[in-house]
Amino acid sequence: GAVVSQHPSWVICKSGTSVKIECRSLDFQATTMFWYRQFPKQSLMLMATSNEGSKATYEQGVEKDKFLINHASLTLSTLTVTSAHPEDSSFYICSARAGAYEQYFGPGTRLTVT
Amino acid sequence: QKEVEQNSGPLSVPEGAIASLNCTYSDRVSQSFFWYRQYSGKSPELIMSIYSNGDKEDGRFTAQLNKASQYVSLLIRDSQPSDSATYLCAVRGFTGGGNKLTFGTGTQLKVEL
Repeated sequence: GAVVSQHPSWVICKSGTSVKIECRSLDFQATTMFWYRQFPKQSLMLMATSNEGSKATYEQGVEKDKFLINHASLTLSTLTVTSAHPEDSSFYICSARAGAYEQYFGPGTRLTVT
Repeated sequence: QKEVEQNSGPLSVPEGAIASLNCTYSDRVSQSFFWYRQYSGKSPELIMSIYSNGDKEDGRFTAQLNKASQYVSLLIRDSQPSDSATYLCAVRGFTGGGNKLTFGTGTQLKVEL
């Protein structure tokens, strides 16, 4: 299967600071990338969908000014959590799709806000 | 009614047995169906995709799709302890947010020695 990488795999930051998470498709060009969040023992929650060169489409209830998404190229998308608070602590997972078919997930980034 | 429904389990099977995981979906125009495996603390891993009615086999895994019944299943033959994980059914269609996957809540599988 295709490979999606994420960096960092875990990060600890102080409340009020911003954190950037990178997502890369390593062996394919991703026309669409997705960002998910998952709290312990809960389902995946889609936060936003982004297409290369376009503004991201956010799911209802997700603050676009807090979770900044940039999909600058066909292999790179970034999620910036701005002014992070402890309630933003979660497992953030990106996913990438080439064309209309299969969608692959990155390994995830565990964010802890202290 | 949830868009994609799965029994949360846990489903316990003995090692070497066949594990049968089931999923139903509500959107009749759904076109693409996927099974992901997620180990605790890890991200989902794609294990099967199926797009047309019938069976699709890949190693120990067989996906089955019945669009008329709006039903998709995953069979795992010769189950191993390493198969113990949560299995997520995902569906993608064309209505509304057709660009994105809709996930079930997952079925926890436990393969016992």
